[in-house]
Amino acid sequence: SAVISQKPSRDICQRGTSLTIQCQVDSQVTMMFWYRQQPGQSLTLIATANQGSEATYESGFVIDKFPISRPNLTFSTLTVSNMSPEDSSIYLCSVESLGGGTEAFFGQGTRLTVV
Amino acid sequence: KQEVTQIPAALSVPEGENLVLNCSFTDSAIYNLQWFRQDPGKGLTSLLLIQSSQREQTSGRLNASLDKSSGRSTLYIAASQPGDSATYLCAVKSGNTPLVFGKGTRLSVIA
Repeated sequence: SAVISQKPSRDICQRGTSLTIQCQVDSQVTMMFWYRQQPGQSLTLIATANQGSEATYESGFVIDKFPISRPNLTFSTLTVSNMSPEDSSIYLCSVESLGGGTEAFFGQGTRLTVV
Repeated sequence: KQEVTQIPAALSVPEGENLVLNCSFTDSAIYNLQWFRQDPGKGLTSLLLIQSSQREQTSGRLNASLDKSSGRSTLYIAASQPGDSATYLCAVKSGNTPLVFGKGTRLSVIA
């Protein structure tokens, strides 16, 4: 299994500002994933963060709005830029452990409220 | 495109009851299926992982089954407790594509 530490756990931010969310894993992983969960909805993948290359973004998400860093095999950050109330969501970091058949593990989530 | 559906969307049961949560998926060519628990405002906790070659997995009071050919999985919770109250999410992985999640079943166990 993998243990993921994500911070902050929650934040209230002013519109127009940016927030950077950190994700630390207790083991080296090739790919890390960033998800968004809007209120009352299921999870939507934002992007896949690969170490040593640019992140791969899903349809509807762009690098200018959600820049991602992946400086090493255990750490990644997601920035939510120029925030608006529509960005209020839970943001989740995830990894997949190859041992035991690609099981996915998640951080505790960051609950973001934009006012 | 894979789609995952969970029924019911919400469920309320008295403590001690056995219950079944349902998950269906449209493309049976899956690699595995995973059940998660999510408490309000929190991250996801992995409950059970079923590989495509497996029929079921058990952990304590939880049992998950998989019928790949019919595109269905069930999560059985025995002797439910108030602490089981949470949202249960089903997610399917197909090859190298990202996990596809259902919308979840919100479970309330009443003491």
